This record gives sequence, structure tokens and C-alpha cells, in this order.
Amino acid sequence: SQQGEEDPQALSIQEGENATMNCSYKTSINNLQWYRQNSGRGLVHLILIRSNEREKHSGRLRVTLDTSKKSSSLLITASRAADTASYFCATASDRDDKIIFGKGTRLHILP
Amino acid sequence: SAVISQKPSRDICQRGTSLTIQCQVDSQVTMMFWYRQQPGQSLTLIATANQGSEATYESGFVIDKFPISRPNLTFSTLTVSNMSPEDSSIYLCSVEVGREGEKLFFGSGTQLSVL
Repeated sequence: SQQGEEDPQALSIQEGENATMNCSYKTSINNLQWYRQNSGRGLVHLILIRSNEREKHSGRLRVTLDTSKKSSSLLITASRAADTASYFCATASDRDDKIIFGKGTRLHILP
Repeated sequence: SAVISQKPSRDICQRGTSLTIQCQVDSQVTMMFWYRQQPGQSLTLIATANQGSEATYESGFVIDKFPISRPNLTFSTLTVSNMSPEDSSIYLCSVEVGREGEKLFFGSGTQLSVL
């Protein structure tokens, strides 16, 4: 069953601006992950944040996690054309470690 | 990390036929996962394939429709049987490397269109 719900569903911004995507989930988790998918192909793992962490950075990516609100955000700073893709949050349940994906945000970076 | 080779990358099939998708990993892994991504949608887990045992199917997916083989620790196949246009989707295999539930590596996907 679907766990994460991202918003917005689609986002268009100018190159150089920051992009923020949000994810909400329903059950208790061990961790939350973000993946990128280019043109409907295989997904690439971007970053993982554990349930006891509140913020994590990796290059131009910043992820926050609020377990009390069951929500996460992914911030991409100084966006580039190559960032155009779909972004999915995924959660690993604390019951069975099964990874369940949200519906995704389609990000389009305008030149 | 893991490198996954998945084939075919795309196929167009006739209603009622079957297609077998192959997934080869460059290292030995315990579990392999098969996902379906319908057009414009998210990924839905079809089944988990362990070597030497029957695959475990998620709710809504059955072995007769999606038989899976897992003959060794580096290879798996998913067959989409008796296809209908509703089976048109991207099918993705993936593996976990490291701690369970932490990071998935994906093949490049198989884009299936059923006429």
C-alpha cells in the first residue's frame, strides 16, 4: 500500500532557484529515503535519514524529518537543468523494513 | 553498491502473450525485489524473491500472473503472463545492499506496452 504522499505533484522553477518537495507518511518508520528517477527509468538513491535524525545534508541536498508530524522535506539548492526528474520519498517500516514509495514530485528546471 | 542489468529495456507485446524480464546483479544478494510502475504513478512492490525459496507476493499480485524465478544469488526473472493492456507499465528489479531496508539499487527498467 502507498505510504508516502509527496507535494507538490509537479514543480517548475528557474535554474538557480531552490526546489523544495515535501513528503508525508502514515506509519512508524526506521528511516526515510529520497530517490530520483529520470525519464521513467531506474531510480537512484539520493539520501537516507534515520528516524532519530532531524536533518541531513549531501552536497546540494538537504533533508529534514519530523517524526511527530510524520513528514519530510527535500531541498535542492541552486538547481540545475540536470535536476529535472521525478523525486520519490520512500519509507522503511519499523515492522518489516519493507520499503514503500510515495507518489512522487515531477520537478522541471527551466533554463 | 550494486550494478544491475535488466533486459529487455522495452517491448511491445500482444494481448494474451507472456514476457519474461531478466535481472542480473554484479554481486551476490539475498533478496531481489520486483516493482511495477504504472504510467505516471509511483512504484508498487510486486514480490520479494529469495534464492532457494518461493517468492513472497504482495497483496493484489499472484504467482500465476507474475511467476518469478531465483535460481542463484545474482539472477532473477519475472514473467508477466497472459498480458492485457492493463499490464502496460515499467517493471523494475532492485536489490538491497547493506543493512535491510536502507538502500535500494535499481535496474534501468523494462517498459512494457501491451496492445
